[in-house]
Amino acid sequence: ETGVTQTPRHLVMGMTNKKSLKCEQHLGHNAMYWYKQSAKKPLELMFVYNFKEQTENNSVPSRFSPECPNSSHLFLHLHTLQPEDSALYLCASSNGGLNNEKLFFGSGTQLSVL
Amino acid sequence: RKEVEQDPGPFNVPEGATVAFNCTYSNSASQSFFWYRQDCRKEPKLLMSVYSSGNEDGRFTAQLNRASQYISLLIRDSKLSDSATYLCVVKKLTGGGNKLTFGTGTQLKVEL
Repeated sequence: ETGVTQTPRHLVMGMTNKKSLKCEQHLGHNAMYWYKQSAKKPLELMFVYNFKEQTENNSVPSRFSPECPNSSHLFLHLHTLQPEDSALYLCASSNGGLNNEKLFFGSGTQLSVL
Repeated sequence: RKEVEQDPGPFNVPEGATVAFNCTYSNSASQSFFWYRQDCRKEPKLLMSVYSSGNEDGRFTAQLNRASQYISLLIRDSKLSDSATYLCVVKKLTGGGNKLTFGTGTQLKVEL
């Protein structure tokens, strides 16, 4: 069982909806990440938080808005998404901040934008 | 040129076969290298790190060739449970810290 839990597992939303993805890690890690995985494409890093501070925004459109209230929780707020945003959104955490490459991933949220 | 390139496969092999995957990277400043495994509809999980001297973990052997900028993963005596996508991951130092870049993955299907 993974120490990183994501909800919901599946989400279908219209382009005008507002929804949020939630991630919680139970591993005592300091860093949390949002990744996007589209079919036949590599994982794309979206955001990085280290000790609750955002340390990387990988040129992500403003329709994706992250929030990290504490080191254990990470949210991704979605609004006015496009169909091409349909993908698997993976949350991950790691210890030692940015210098630890061992990422623990959640099971992901499969997002479909209609 | 992609930062990390992998043959997407699928590699279809019989149980017990030996199979090898290669991965090439474009940035010679890359520092560290890893293989992750991702099962169908599941999250990626770290399989093993790749060291300059090569390293082995049971049936799995990883090697690094810095001169040619590629890493490899060898699986011996493959099992049905080895069926998965294998992701090559490269770490390099950037202005914002260490950055991991993932390949698209190589799909392995082990068959009876």
